[in-house]
Formats: sequence, C-alpha cells, structure tokens
Amino acid sequence: DTAVSQTPKYLVTQMGNDKSIKCEQNLGHDTMYWYKQDSKKFLKIMFSYNNKELIINETVPNRFSPKSPDKAHLNLHINSLELGDSAVYFCASSQLKDTSSTDTQYFGPGTRLTVL
Amino acid sequence: AQKVTQAQTEISVVEKEDVTLDCVYETRDTTYYLFWYKQPPSGELVFLIRRNSFDEQNEISGRYSWNFQKSTSSFNFTITASQVVDSAVYFCALSGTGRRALTFGSGTRLQVQP
Repeated sequence: DTAVSQTPKYLVTQMGNDKSIKCEQNLGHDTMYWYKQDSKKFLKIMFSYNNKELIINETVPNRFSPKSPDKAHLNLHINSLELGDSAVYFCASSQLKDTSSTDTQYFGPGTRLTVL
Repeated sequence: AQKVTQAQTEISVVEKEDVTLDCVYETRDTTYYLFWYKQPPSGELVFLIRRNSFDEQNEISGRYSWNFQKSTSSFNFTITASQVVDSAVYFCALSGTGRRALTFGSGTRLQVQP
C-alpha cells in the first residue's frame, strides 16, 4: 500500500527533450509538493498545490510546469531539458487542516532524472 | 526568512556509540514546526519526528531522542547505541504557518562502522 508513489523511478534523457514525472498519493491529503534534491543532497521546494490550486511557486525556470488534475495527483512536466536539470525530484503530500497549523509531509521514493 | 543549519557534514562512529546530530534554525514565525527526516542509501525520505514550537518537551522513541530548546533555537537528534542500519543522511527541516513548504538543512551524513 504505497502512500506516495512516483513514476518513473529513473529517467534518462537527452538535452532538449520534454519529459513528465507523475505523482499520486492515496493518503487523502489536500496538499502536494515537488522538491528538487541536487547532487550535493540539498533539498529545495519547487511547487505546492492545495486542492488543485497553486500555492507555492518558487523561483524555478518556466520550463517546469506542475499540473494537478485532481487533489490526489501532481505531475511535473519539464520542457527543453538542460544538463543542470539532472537531480532527484521528490513529490510529497500533507494535509493542511487550517491556516494555523501544518502537518507532516510524506515523501515519494524520488525520481532520478539524468540529462545527457 | 527561514533557515536551518546542520553544521556537521559527516559523522563517523563505531557501532554501539551514541551520536548527536545538531540542528539550529532561524525563523520569524511565532508558531513553527520542526522535523527530522532520514534518507538511507536507498534514497527515500523517511519521516522521523515533528515538533511544534509551543511544545518543548523532549521526546524519546526507542534508541532515538530529540532535544528541542527554543532558547538556543536548536533541535538536536541523538541516536543511542548506534547500529549499522542507522547509516544515512539525516535532514532537519522547518516550516511555519506562513510558509508550509519545508526548509531543509544541508543534511548530516552518518556512517556507523561495524
């Protein structure tokens, strides 16, 4: 019973290609996130969606576009891939009960993207 | 702005030693949340603990314990009687009511030698 799943686990592609990473959660959470982990293991937020609405959009190139068809899914589409996009991308989800609290984020297994 | 500092880049211990991983944070939020995550060599991020800023009680879970001190803005993590399976990168993270995304520290790589 996987709580947060991502596909694919590994993605190897050429520069200039367009690719997507899919994320699904079965925890019933209303908020989903994408984080990027670089080669030095540093983790940084990219996007967050709450009930299919974008609530966090960090300074990432507009080649990256998140799409949330429903609150259980948050996909990441990347256009015109560059060498510097090589990283591990993590999806996460949590439940935002109200504006005065925050809940634990549970992470997917990660997708290792390698751009050649 | 929020910031999390894990000054220890890498720690190496021998099995059964106790080890403490340090975490220092900065935030202007009056209500905030602190977390520890474990990233084993297999790569996934495993949630370990969450603490609210208004609850300074220390917590113990088996061989793991956490010491939260608001006065020094620290949330340290101790593993007692370390085991080889504890080898991983450990991340401290912070979120606030104004910003739900996690701000992560740079991680501490713990190597436990048999």
